[in-house]
Amino acid sequence: GAVVSQHPSRVICKSGTSVKIECRSLDFQATTMFWYRQFPKQSLMLMATSNEGSKATYEQGVEKDKFLINHASLTLSTLTVTSAHPEDSSFYICSASNRGGEQYFGPGTRLTVT
Amino acid sequence: DAKTTQPNSMESNEEEPVHLPCNHSTISGTDYIHWYRQLPSQGPEYVIHGLTSNVNNRMASLAIAEDRKSSTLILHRATLRDAAVYYCILIGGGGSNYKLTFGKGTLLTVNP
Repeated sequence: GAVVSQHPSRVICKSGTSVKIECRSLDFQATTMFWYRQFPKQSLMLMATSNEGSKATYEQGVEKDKFLINHASLTLSTLTVTSAHPEDSSFYICSASNRGGEQYFGPGTRLTVT
Repeated sequence: DAKTTQPNSMESNEEEPVHLPCNHSTISGTDYIHWYRQLPSQGPEYVIHGLTSNVNNRMASLAIAEDRKSSTLILHRATLRDAAVYYCILIGGGGSNYKLTFGKGTLLTVNP
């Protein structure tokens, strides 16, 4: 199946700093990418939908100024957590969708804010 | 989005078949039934999907009720590597709505 990578796989940052997470589709062009967040023992929650070349669509309750999403090309989307706080510590997962609508998930990024 | 209902957890023994149920009584005619699974500390992995007919692939089989209000994911011989959370998700078949709404899923435990 198609491969989606995320970088970094885990990151520890200090409170107040910003962290950028990359999501890449390695062998296909992703017309749409999705960003999810998952807290321990909970299900994935969709944060935003990102279409190449246009602004991301955020789910209700997700602060767009705090979680900056850029989808500059058909193979790369980035999520920047600005002014991170301990409550932002979570498992962040991206997925990429091809023109057929199938979604492929990245391995996730574990963010810990100290 | 149409909602799905799954048991919180199920347990199986290695090498035995596992039947994971999913109820989706409000499914619409164009909704596809998708199954994903998530191993610990990993992103979800696609398992199988179907519309009306039963489906088979190398990972599993999907049995869909005639009225489409329920479906069952079948793992024919469970292995320890099948221990994961299994999600049953409905996706609109209109071609434009590919948002996945994850419920709580079923935590499958496989005993050696």
